[in-house]
Formats: sequence, C-alpha cells, structure tokens
Amino acid sequence: QKEVEQNSGPLSVPEGAIASLNCTYSDRGSQSFFWYRQYSGKSPELIMFIYSNGDKEDGRFTAQLNKASQYVSLLIRDSQPSDSATYLCAVAINKFYFGSGTKLNVKP
Amino acid sequence: GAVVSQHPSRVICKSGTSVKIECRSLDFQATTMFWYRQFPKQSLMLMATSNEGSKATYEQGVEKDKFLINHASLTLSTLTVTSAHPEDSSFYICSASVESGLAYNEQFFGPGTRLTVL
Repeated sequence: QKEVEQNSGPLSVPEGAIASLNCTYSDRGSQSFFWYRQYSGKSPELIMFIYSNGDKEDGRFTAQLNKASQYVSLLIRDSQPSDSATYLCAVAINKFYFGSGTKLNVKP
Repeated sequence: GAVVSQHPSRVICKSGTSVKIECRSLDFQATTMFWYRQFPKQSLMLMATSNEGSKATYEQGVEKDKFLINHASLTLSTLTVTSAHPEDSSFYICSASVESGLAYNEQFFGPGTRLTVL
C-alpha cells in the first residue's frame, strides 16, 4: 500500500470554477501535510502546508485536513488557466512521502 | 528568501561516464538536504538524505556506491552519478530544509537537473 494516494486525473474544470483535489494517506502518525504544484519539466513549488485538523486558507487556496479519515484536500477557488499543473500531496512522518500527483486542467 | 539552486540544469552524457550535480542553498543555511529522482509521469522518489559533515542516509534500493553524495557545507551538497547508464536518465531534484523546531520542516526545492544518458 502506498503511503500517499492521489487520483492521477486529469481533472478538468472551467475557468472560474472551484477545483477540488484530494489525497489520502496510510500512516496515522503523519504530522504535517503539504501541497505542491509542479509544472511540466519544473520542480515542485510549495502552495500550502497544514498540520492541524480543519481548514487553512491562503488567497484562492484552501487546504482541508481530516486526520480521523486520513485525508487532506486542496480547494482552488476561481480557477485560472495558469493553475493548470500537477498537484502533489506530501505527507511528513520522519521524511516526506509524495503522492503521484493529480493533473489539473483549467479550461478557458 | 529560501532559494535553492542546482547546476547544471541539463546534462547529456555518454554511458559509462560520471556526472556531478550541485545543489546550493543561496540565502540560508540548510540543516538537511534531500535528493529526489522523478521519472516521467511519476512522483518524486526520495533517494537520500544528507546532513552537513555526515554520511548520507540512502533509501532502500538506492545504490550508495553509484549515487555518491557529499555534503561539504551547510549550503552545498553534491550528487555524483557514477558510471551512468541510460536507465539513470531522469529528473534529479534536490531540496533543502532548516530545522524549525515545529512539527514540520519545510523543504525548498531546487529547479532540478535533467540527466540524459546516451
């Protein structure tokens, strides 16, 4: 079983819509959770991190963490074509475990 | 702040040669540096973790004699792929983190190095 699971997508949403990206993890000892965005051929860039249950908002992005259900999600409001990328979920236990990523396409 | 650079950004080499990749934290001193490898359409796979002045810790399945890691200072780590073969062709990404004392240590990623072995 993989440590971190993500739907590979692609997830297609129209411009201006809300994109919802989900991630589940297997280790209940996981402490910190990260969302990275990766454009094709580039390295990941951090969008948000969260380590407490509940929601955390930063601009158009909201991270949601539910430790009881072992999932973490990322909502992108008012999606823009520039948000089209692969989104990687990462879980930190004693090291980082990355999911395989969800490809998001925002259509103009 | 928190900028990590990698050099070279792209390298093409012949099979059997060795390639050195540098990773530098430009505006901070990194407690720990990490080396990842990413094959097309796959996620990042951690290869090794290195702390300044000590031997790197390699992940299971990663040959330490093939992927030599040197962490000479708090701002520089190098990865040398020895006797490279076509199956070593991949995107190599380093990251650096600082011990924060919090529940997390954010990792700052370098721009990556695309290695192609002919």
